[in-house]
Amino acid sequence: GQNIDQPTEMTATEGAIVQINCTYQTSGFNGLFWYQQHAGEAPTFLSYNVLDGLEEKGRFSSFLSRSKGYSYLLLKELQMKDSASYLCAVLDSNYQLIWGAGTKLIIKP
Amino acid sequence: DVKVTQSSRYLVKRTGEKVFLECVQDMDHENMFWYRQDPGLGLRLIYFSYDVKMKEKGDIPEGYSVSREKKERFSLILESASTNQTSMYLCASSLGTSGVTGELFFGEGSRLTVL
Repeated sequence: GQNIDQPTEMTATEGAIVQINCTYQTSGFNGLFWYQQHAGEAPTFLSYNVLDGLEEKGRFSSFLSRSKGYSYLLLKELQMKDSASYLCAVLDSNYQLIWGAGTKLIIKP
Repeated sequence: DVKVTQSSRYLVKRTGEKVFLECVQDMDHENMFWYRQDPGLGLRLIYFSYDVKMKEKGDIPEGYSVSREKKERFSLILESASTNQTSMYLCASSLGTSGVTGELFFGEGSRLTVL
């Protein structure tokens, strides 16, 4: 079967750095997405990786290793507004998205 | 600004009632999707559509149907609502044909409670 694993919940301190991991086992791979979802709101796109390596976008970076079936989202200089759920999703060989359950990130002052 | 609009943010229905959830996008996207989101589970795909009048079953289509009469509008129908359909329903759209080739744009969600 297809599977996406990410931690259920993480806590970090304002101003710090946090890394949210995502491991996947899917039938084929056509890219990996990260979305942010604030409580009660729609998910919004953060990043897309299809090649190995690190993609940096401001305070957020996303890393992919296809051989390991592994990705992480790195958030730097954490702000209170970063408190949200972070969803990992993989595009499989049929161009269908397989979603992880999401990681709830709690930021403490 | 791109937009996906869902008709109702909150609905309360009784078991056996027919429920319509409407979704409209203004981005001229070919692909539209209906997901449900439940605590502790990833987004689960109910139905999707790659073109007008075209629909494909997702992972959990039982108890649901859809309609896409116009490119911008994708409706989710619960013919006879049951309590296990209490959930958050998310509509999304994306560019491309025959599958997801880019980011999804989501609506705000419709939280349905079936009593």
